[in-house]
Order: sequence, then C-alpha cells, then structure tokens
Amino acid sequence: DQQVKQNSPSLSVQEGRISILNCDYTNSMFDYFLWYKKYPAEGPTFLISISSIKDKNEDGRFTVFLNKSAKHLSLHIVPSQPGDSAVYFCAASLSSNTGKLIFGQGTTLQVKP
Amino acid sequence: EPEVTQTPSHQVTQMGQEVILRCVPISNHLYFYWYRQILGQKVEFLVSFYNNEISEKSEIFDDQFSVERPDGSNFTLKIRSTKLEDSAMYFCASIREIYNSPLHFGNGTRLTVT
Repeated sequence: DQQVKQNSPSLSVQEGRISILNCDYTNSMFDYFLWYKKYPAEGPTFLISISSIKDKNEDGRFTVFLNKSAKHLSLHIVPSQPGDSAVYFCAASLSSNTGKLIFGQGTTLQVKP
Repeated sequence: EPEVTQTPSHQVTQMGQEVILRCVPISNHLYFYWYRQILGQKVEFLVSFYNNEISEKSEIFDDQFSVERPDGSNFTLKIRSTKLEDSAMYFCASIREIYNSPLHFGNGTRLTVT
C-alpha cells in the first residue's frame, strides 16, 4: 500500500535554514492532510494540517503547501532549530470527519547547530 | 496539556498468549483509535471506536483482536493469541470531535512476542 509516500528517508539542514519535507499521494479522494512529528520513544505529535480546499496553511515556523494537481504536499520549517530534529510523518484521510489516517514512511530530519 | 497515556510501555509475551494493552484517552474525547507500527514500517490504522462500538476496522484487525471501553476512562486492545508478527509499537489515539480534528497519540506500547 503506497498511497502516501515520503521518498526521502532523511534530510539534514543547518540551524536557521529552511527545512522542506515532501510527501506524495496517489489517491485523489484524499481531502485532509496532516503532518506529525515523532521523537524516539514517544507517540506522533500533531504539527499542522490542511484541507483540500486550501493550498497553504501556516502556523508559526511551520507552513504546509498542497498541490492537488500534482498530488503533492510539503512542510516548510523556517528557521529550523536543533529541537526540530525528529521523524516527520505525512498522513492523509479520505475525509476530514474520520480519524482513519494513511501514513507515509517518515522522513528523519536532522538540524545541525 | 492533557495527554493520552498508555500502559505498559513495553510488554513481552510468548507466542500464543493473550495480551491486553491499555490506554487512557483524554477525558473529554469521544473517538478512540488503535494504530500500530511494525519496526521499519509505516504507522497503520487498526480500529476506530465510538459510542461503545467499532466504527471502522482495517484488514489487520481480525478475530484475534478486540477492543473495549470497560469503564469511563480506559480503552483496551486485546490480542487473543499473539503471533510473532504482532510484535510492534501500538499507539492509542483519541479526539473530541470528528471533524477536522487531529488525532492525539499516546507514547505507545512496545509489544514483543517471543
């Protein structure tokens, strides 16, 4: 099942620079997308979401962009901080009124001081 | 901030044994979920639960699995006869409202079946 794909298993950026994490999906029926962050020995923590009726959503240092025609979303973190080092999961659902999420494989972000 | 709590953090069991994983969702939440992550693989949906019944389940959630909300606070996942391939991290999650609400996950229970 490859409905949600994060093709980069890892990303390394310098503190203060922008981190861009990418996610592709295949099911055009997905209409709600989320990004979660996960530290070792912890559960996923919600970061930011976007509905399919939007193409951008911002929350502080985090911005999610959605390109429905390309079935692609991205998470921008700017400026990146060492505390952002974690595994980032993209997730999608067929409806905003369900908690059934389809997750990507995750991208490990390392922010170097 | 309220949290979803899961116990135990690590459970080791022998193949064929029954295991119960426990979760205390956030107190005013109404929708409850179990997900799992096998080592090196994706986080996968298992089951959703609302109003004391299963609202949706995945193909993984076969007759060996069951969920229960035995009282007003706990939400449990039971695996009746564990297999080696049940070894995984099991995450409980909850939300208050179903619409446009992100899931709040617990820290997980690592289940090791030997």
